[in-house]
Amino acid sequence: EAQVTQNPRYLITVTGKKLTVTCSQNMNHEYMSWYRQDPGLGLRQIYYSMNVEVTDKGDVPEGYKVSRKEKRNFPLILESPSPNQTSLYFCASASLKWDRGYQPQHFGDGTRLSIL
Amino acid sequence: QQQVKQSPQSLIVQKGGISIINCAYENTAFDYFPWYQQFPGKGPALLIAIRPDVSEKKEGRFTISFNKSAKQFSLHIMDSQPGDSATYFCAASIVSNQFYFGTGTSLTVIP
Repeated sequence: EAQVTQNPRYLITVTGKKLTVTCSQNMNHEYMSWYRQDPGLGLRQIYYSMNVEVTDKGDVPEGYKVSRKEKRNFPLILESPSPNQTSLYFCASASLKWDRGYQPQHFGDGTRLSIL
Repeated sequence: QQQVKQSPQSLIVQKGGISIINCAYENTAFDYFPWYQQFPGKGPALLIAIRPDVSEKKEGRFTISFNKSAKQFSLHIMDSQPGDSATYFCAASIVSNQFYFGTGTSLTVIP
């Protein structure tokens, strides 16, 4: 089954304790992206990657890091989490072989992070 | 600032009615306008998308209307059904790389 898998699904942690949210896709997609979803703000793009070793900042990259060492994985790293990073996070992937104007992103089911 | 402005925030429609959600943007470099549907506890899923070189796209009961000169686009759901109850997001992107989403519309279809 084609899917984007995020782990963990839920996490409660404390300020300053480094954490990593993993994202893996089994569709051989070149494009991967991270978003955060907050009430009243919609989804905001954090980082995206067009392929292995290629990453770019999205709209809200501050306080986050990513890496793309393998095509299937795109972990999101919070090196020193703060309460304002409490949010619902989504990873997505897409094929760049699709018609460039229609690129359906496949989303994971989300990771709810609470930082106290 | 919000690159894509979406309204209304919430919408209640009777079964069989038409649901209309509107979005507006400023950046004329946007070249791809998708709509996503999200159910509780799930990630968004692409519903329908349009490029700025066409004014309308229809897929089943879902239609995007696009007004390039006004920098506005809207989603119309015809014959709305209770199963359409979800949150809808419009979005815009440049060369399908960087995406900007609207703030979402919570649609409730009453049986």
